[in-house]
Amino acid sequence: RKEVEQDPGPFNVPEGATVAFNCTYSNSASQSFFWYRQDCRKEPKLLMSVYSSGNEDGRFTAQLNRASQYISLLIRDSKLSDSATYLCVVYQGGKLIFGQGTELSVKP
Amino acid sequence: EAQVTQNPRYLITVTGKKLTVTCSQNMNHEYMSWYRQDPGLGLRQIYYSMNVEVTDKGDVPEGYKVSRKEKRNFPLILESPSPNQTSLYFCASSFGVRTGELFFGEGSRLTVL
Repeated sequence: RKEVEQDPGPFNVPEGATVAFNCTYSNSASQSFFWYRQDCRKEPKLLMSVYSSGNEDGRFTAQLNRASQYISLLIRDSKLSDSATYLCVVYQGGKLIFGQGTELSVKP
Repeated sequence: EAQVTQNPRYLITVTGKKLTVTCSQNMNHEYMSWYRQDPGLGLRQIYYSMNVEVTDKGDVPEGYKVSRKEKRNFPLILESPSPNQTSLYFCASSFGVRTGELFFGEGSRLTVL
């Protein structure tokens, strides 16, 4: 079983839609969680951290469920510019472990 | 401008011909790391360095070497490249990996024939 698993997608959604990605992690000792964004053929960039109580940054909401060992990212009112791959990242044992990413394509 | 710079960005080489991918950061970060990214496998860590003269293996270190003689530089060396090392390589740096914020270079696409 992979340490961090994501549905690779692609998720094809129309502009304005709400889309949610889930990510599961296998190690209950994982300490911190993050979402990264990677545009096509570009480097990954930190999108947001995920806090235990859940957190919001504009149209983006991240949530953590430690009991079920998953984190989620919700994007409201999708824009064309949201098209990218979203990487789930887990910090455990002194390392950052990346999921393989979920591809999002927002269409007009 | 704060950045991580990798060179070369694109390289086609042949099996067995030694090559070095350079990585330099201007943010005075102590932590640096190399990843490779392959379709369906995501980002996998090759080597990392917590500070000058301190390097450790990541998840896929076979066939690679690194050195950290200076804080700003962390070159990746392929002594005898093979076709299975064809990949997209990223260098990254951070003040501390626990923060979760890695600053990545633009990537180096390597093809080994």
